Amino acid sequence: DAKTTQPNSMESNEEEPVHLPCNHSTISGTDYIHWYRQLPSQGPEYVIHGLTSNVNNRMASLAIAEDRKSSTLILHRATLRDAAVYYCILTTTGNQFYFGTGTSLTVIP
Amino acid sequence: SQTIHQWPATLVQPVGSPLSLECTVEGTSNPNLYWYRQAAGRGLQLLFYSIGIGQISSEVPQNLSASRPQDRQFILSSKKLLLSDSGFYLCAWSVWRVTEAFFGQGTRLTVV
Repeated sequence: DAKTTQPNSMESNEEEPVHLPCNHSTISGTDYIHWYRQLPSQGPEYVIHGLTSNVNNRMASLAIAEDRKSSTLILHRATLRDAAVYYCILTTTGNQFYFGTGTSLTVIP
Repeated sequence: SQTIHQWPATLVQPVGSPLSLECTVEGTSNPNLYWYRQAAGRGLQLLFYSIGIGQISSEVPQNLSASRPQDRQFILSSKKLLLSDSGFYLCAWSVWRVTEAFFGQGTRLTVV
């Protein structure tokens, strides 16, 4: 299964940008990079995904390194509702979604 | 629109009892279906995935099995539950790996 490495936890002040890093040095050329977030006792929620180019949507931006061995999820203005565990995962040609342990984001008011 | 239903929300079962968790998807055809387990304070572990009726791939050898009797129905079963089977079980679907996966609300299983 494809591997990703994320910091266990991060903190951010409310209304400031947050950069959540992810390393995926063993990524293959056809693996997509997905980000999900999970609130306590809920299923994960899709945030964003990409292949090679940077991506933007209403929730966040995804910056992908040129060699694709790392990526960064950017929340432009953190709110208290953004406090969650954020997972960076790779999807393989077999359609599997493998989750790591994620980054627990704390937003400080 | 597409929706995913997963039930029950919570379940308490004695050790050695059977288990059946059901997941159904509406509004899409031939989805990829997934069962995940999340132990307390841990990440999600992929247990089974299916790309079609009767096609099940197991990721981790364990006390559980999965079946897909219909295109949009995915069932997780056990003949005899163990204490270590406790956890938060999540069903998910996707159309293709290049699109997002959608998760159900989960079943919190406690084996006592």
